[in-house]
This record gives sequence, C-alpha cells and structure tokens, in this order.
Amino acid sequence: DGGITQSPKYLFRKEGQNVTLSCEQNLNHDAMYWYRQDPGQGLRLIYYSQIVNDFQKGDIAEGYSVSREKKESFPLTVTSAQKNPTAFYLCASSLTGATTDTQYFGPGTRLTVL
Amino acid sequence: AQSVTQLGSHVSVSEGALVLLRCNYSSSVPPYLFWYVQYPNQGLQLLLKYTSAATLVKGINGFEAEFKKSETSFHLTKPSAHMSDAAEYFCAVSEWGDYKLSFGAGTTVTVRA
Repeated sequence: DGGITQSPKYLFRKEGQNVTLSCEQNLNHDAMYWYRQDPGQGLRLIYYSQIVNDFQKGDIAEGYSVSREKKESFPLTVTSAQKNPTAFYLCASSLTGATTDTQYFGPGTRLTVL
Repeated sequence: AQSVTQLGSHVSVSEGALVLLRCNYSSSVPPYLFWYVQYPNQGLQLLLKYTSAATLVKGINGFEAEFKKSETSFHLTKPSAHMSDAAEYFCAVSEWGDYKLSFGAGTTVTVRA
C-alpha cells in the first residue's frame, strides 16, 4: 500500500531534550511538508521541501530543524529552543509541490513535553 | 497573502439533515481552494478542491462545494448527514506560484441520532 507513515504515534519528552519525528513516504512524491496542529488554530507550516537536499522554512520554523537526504524521508527535529512543543505534528507529501497538487497526510505524531 | 476564515468552530446537525460549513477566503489573485476532513487522532484527507475549472465541485462521501468569487466564499455542503460525517473539517487556500496551503481554524461537526 502506498502512503505516508509517521512514527512514533505518541512521544513524550522532558524539557531540554531534542526529539526527532519520523516521516516516510512511498508515493514517489517530490515535495514533503511538516505542519503543527494546535486546538482551534488549524494547521501551521513548519518546513517544506520540494526536492532532495533542499528545504525552506515555513511560518513557524523557529525551534525546529529538518533534513531531506532521501526522497522518501523527511525527519523533523524538535529542539530544546522550541518554547511550546506540545502539539500534534502532521507530515504531508505532494507529487511536485505545485500549487494545485493534493497534499497527502500521514496519521500524525502527538508530542507531549513533561 | 492569502487567508481563510471558517465561520463556526462547532456545528451540530441531525442525522439526515443538511450539512453546511462556511468558508470565506482572502486572496489578491485567483485562489485555489481545498476542503479536508480529519477524524480524531488521524491525518487529513482531501474531500475536494477547486482549481479554476467548474465552480461547483463534487467530492468524496457526497460532499460538494461552490466557488463564489463575488462572495469570496467556498462553502461545503452535504444534503443528508450520516453519523460517519462526525469529524473536523478544514478549508484551505493557496495561490498560483505559492508553495503552501493556508488553513482555516477548522469546524467540528457532530451528528445527532
């Protein structure tokens, strides 16, 4: 089955720790995205990548980092610099990154800072 | 920059009744518009999208939406609600040449038996 997988489903972190969220897709899509979802705020773009070894900051990139070493993988690191990291994180991909492309979403990772 | 406003954070309907979710957009150029659905603790799934073809767009699960430029709206409707329609719905907008979607805050739909 083609799709997007995110792991882990639930993640708990102590304050001051960095954590990495995994996102893998086997759709052969060029573009990948990371969003953060908070109750009542919709989705906000953290980072996006339209091609391997290239990525751009979204609206709320501070305290986050990404890499895109392989087409199918786009891991997100939540660093200790992120002031309020507790949220639901969604990864998405699209065929080319064109404006009209449909974005396909993974099942999400819920991060809780203890 | 584009933006989306979804009117009503919660909508409650009876099973079999009309579902109407409101979305208004702001865009300096002709927009592309999307509706996504999210079930609890899951990712988003595309219901339908408008990309400057027909103004009445039909999607999955019996949903449809109409693009009205004069009203800057893209409201989502379904004639008869089903219990399985209980979810959160997001309207999103993008513009030609832009890379990103801008999402509304979402509308949660509950369906009463």
